Amino acid sequence: DGGITQSPKYLFRKEGQNVTLSCEQNLNHDAMYWYRQDPGQGLRLIYYSQIVNDFQKGDIAEGYSVSREKKESFPLTVTSAQKNPTAFYLCASSIDRPSSYNEQFFGPGTRLTVL
Amino acid sequence: AQSVAQPEDQVNVAEGNPLTVKCTYSASGNPYLFWYVQYPNRGLQFLLKYITGDNLVKGSYGFEAEFNKSQTSFHLKKPSALVSDSALYFCAVRDPAGGFKTIFGAGTRLFVKA
Repeated sequence: DGGITQSPKYLFRKEGQNVTLSCEQNLNHDAMYWYRQDPGQGLRLIYYSQIVNDFQKGDIAEGYSVSREKKESFPLTVTSAQKNPTAFYLCASSIDRPSSYNEQFFGPGTRLTVL
Repeated sequence: AQSVAQPEDQVNVAEGNPLTVKCTYSASGNPYLFWYVQYPNRGLQFLLKYITGDNLVKGSYGFEAEFNKSQTSFHLKKPSALVSDSALYFCAVRDPAGGFKTIFGAGTRLFVKA
């Protein structure tokens, strides 16, 4: 099956901890994205990457970090600097340049809760 | 700057009746428009998109959307609703002149009652 996988499905973080959310795709897509979803606010872009070893900040990058060492993988780290990290996190990919007309394919999401 | 508005937080419709989920947008030039659906605790699934050409776009699961440039709208429609259509629907816009960003609306929850 081709698609995007995210793990874990549920994640709990204590104050002061960094946590890393995994995102893997086998669609051979160049572009990958991380979004945060909060109730009633739609999706907000955290980071995106057009190619390996390159990534750009989105609208709400503060307190988050990413890497893109492989085409298939785009992990997101939620650092202790992110003061309100409780949310549903969605990873997505698309076939080519982010500015193209191609739709995005989404993973199943990770729900992060701060204890 | 581009933006998307979904004026209804929730739409209620009886099974078998037609449904409409509204979306209006603001963008320069000729934007690309998308509809996605999200089921509980799941990622978004692509339904349909408008790029250019025919204003009526047909997509997955019997959904269609009508692009209206003068009203800057892209309403999602289905002639006969199913209970299984109950979900959260997102409209999104991408301005090709605006670079990488896709802007998503806040979402509209659709309830289809049997």
